[in-house]
Amino acid sequence: QITLKESGPTVVKPTQTLILTCDFSGFSVISSGVSVGWIRQSPGKALEWLALLYWDNDERYNPSLKNRVTIARDISKSQVILTLTNMTPADTGTYFCAHRRDLEWGFDPWGPGIPVTVSS
Amino acid sequence: EIVMTQSPLSLPVTPGEPASISCKSSQSLLHSDGDHYLEWYFQRPGQSPQLMVYLGSRRAPGVPDRFSGSGSGTDFTLKISRVEAEDVGIYYCMQGLQTPRTFGQGTKVEI
Repeated sequence: QITLKESGPTVVKPTQTLILTCDFSGFSVISSGVSVGWIRQSPGKALEWLALLYWDNDERYNPSLKNRVTIARDISKSQVILTLTNMTPADTGTYFCAHRRDLEWGFDPWGPGIPVTVSS
Repeated sequence: EIVMTQSPLSLPVTPGEPASISCKSSQSLLHSDGDHYLEWYFQRPGQSPQLMVYLGSRRAPGVPDRFSGSGSGTDFTLKISRVEAEDVGIYYCMQGLQTPRTFGQGTKVEI
């Protein structure tokens, strides 16, 4: 059974850097075809794709975040880490990590999400 | 980036009756492998999204067969043959063809 769970700070100040961890089990992040992504949802709004990390360590980012975002992995800890710099109130929302079994499959499953508020 | 447009944004439904959601993309979602990289997700209030359909028409494991995805090119549809109370929530389409992946605005299904 594949599970994912997000952790990290739930409140950050403007200009600070957000570091979120996705702890996963039930799969290997280096298995061919596998990827892990981060998606966020602003309050009452739609989903926004942020970043994707492939099994071969290829990284893909949403250009709208203008080089503020980084995705990385710690294989020994079964973690995928999202870093988002220079936080603003517009970054407030719930952040989800999610698994993809291959290039064709969808995001399945998702973690429960972690709410993050940006406020001074 | 590929823009995804869903309609309607709000869909009142009646249990036992069919329902349909449209998703249009600004570019074709046809991959060179012959598949359309279009996914449907369902989100209940307070919960994380769950995959319903991938590659345009393939149901994810555990998804009831009253749900079906169809379409090609830039026009896609998610249909519920007979709505049940547990189907209430928000449905999103997402294109998986290009970076950045992009979602539709969501369609709120309510009884």
